[in-house]
Amino acid sequence: QSVLTQPPSVSGAPGQRVTISCTGSNSNIGAGSDVHWYQHLPGTAPKLLIYVNNNRPSGVPDRFSGSKSGTSASLAITGLQAEDEADYYCHSYDSSLSADVIFGGGTKLTVL
Amino acid sequence: QLRLQESGPGLVKPSETLSLTCSVSGDSISSSTNYWGWIRQPPGKGLEWIGSISYSGSTYYTPSLKSRVTISVDTSKNQFSLRLSSVTAADTAVFYCARHNGDSYVDQLDYWGQGTLVTVSS
Repeated sequence: QSVLTQPPSVSGAPGQRVTISCTGSNSNIGAGSDVHWYQHLPGTAPKLLIYVNNNRPSGVPDRFSGSKSGTSASLAITGLQAEDEADYYCHSYDSSLSADVIFGGGTKLTVL
Repeated sequence: QLRLQESGPGLVKPSETLSLTCSVSGDSISSSTNYWGWIRQPPGKGLEWIGSISYSGSTYYTPSLKSRVTISVDTSKNQFSLRLSSVTAADTAVFYCARHNGDSYVDQLDYWGQGTLVTVSS
């Protein structure tokens, strides 16, 4: 079980807005650790989508946005497109006794 | 353009040591302050960070694998490598190498290799 909890799946119709949550604790997100997000299509390399909570790398559409509050973070996708169908992972750092780089369990986005 | 490419055996026997190499092109490991990491994804499961290394050889490993993992760097070949000992079927996964965009192993991973499947089976 992942230290960062994501919903296993979310779905939305083309053009709609969806959000993916990433729930942590006071030893990771709540402790101020940054959150990064990746998009992963099967058989390909994961792609950095959002870094340091709410920053987009060059080339990532502004339809993708990130936020962080308390012990949770969220990825929002607006104007959903068929090409957005993929797995999404959050990534952070846990500063507990077993200090560790951690990923969420992943969320499968289905575009209806 | 930075490129990373994993290489190594696709099949490893139980109890043996898994060895993979990541070849980096488009950037010099020795001239950057970035960390370089290994991540794996077992079939049907999510991503798991294994560990990361700096150009100078400083390493950090995930606690659950620390006793079995060694990551090393060869700046002359612009490569870094992973060794995972005493493997079992549970270590079957797609292994990715990636670059941390910063001088810390907690920084985001901005460039990834395509991944290589390693199966542990007799």
